Amino acid sequence: QITLKESGPTLVKPTQTLTLTCTFSGFSLRISGVGVGWIRQPPGKALEWLALIFWNDDKRYSPSLKSRLTITKDTSKNQVVLTMTNMDPVDTATYYCAHSSPGVGFDYWGQGTLVTVSS
Amino acid sequence: SYELTQPPSVSVSPGQTASITCSGDKLGDKYACWFQQKPGQSPVLVIYQDSKRPSGIPERFSGSNSGNTATLTISGTQAMDEADYYCQAWDSSTSYVFGTGTKVTVL
Repeated sequence: QITLKESGPTLVKPTQTLTLTCTFSGFSLRISGVGVGWIRQPPGKALEWLALIFWNDDKRYSPSLKSRLTITKDTSKNQVVLTMTNMDPVDTATYYCAHSSPGVGFDYWGQGTLVTVSS
Repeated sequence: SYELTQPPSVSVSPGQTASITCSGDKLGDKYACWFQQKPGQSPVLVIYQDSKRPSGIPERFSGSNSGNTATLTISGTQAMDEADYYCQAWDSSTSYVFGTGTKVTVL
């Protein structure tokens, strides 16, 4: 059974750096083709893909946010970490992590964590 | 940047067919998938690789993708299908892009 859970601060101040951790179980990031991605959703708005890291440490970023994002993995801990710098109130959103199967895409999602950016 | 456009809303009567479109430049050259999201819940994958259904997704969900348009079709729509639906496309040049989302209302 594949599960993912996001953790991190619920409130950050403008200009601060956000660090979110995705802790997963039921699969290994050592398996060929497997990846873990981050997607966010501002309240009442659409989904937005942020970043994805593959089993071989290949990393992909949203072109519009690439300069602010870093994604890393700790295979031994079954965790993927996303950092986003220079947070702004427009970054207020629910942040999801999701498992990506080769040829399928985001087939398992975490419950999401709401991050509010406010002074 | 690449964009995927969906109609904001679609209404359908119970038992009828709902069709949700997703438009993007040469979308047919990429793989499209669809997600269902109910209020307060995480998205659920309902179609991948244009037309394949993950295990556990009812047969009434089907998909197609050609030209500039991908389509999600819900046949025999049920009240439980009322939700927001998002398309998503990916390829080596596009990376991963979500559509604008469509709210399906079952009247």
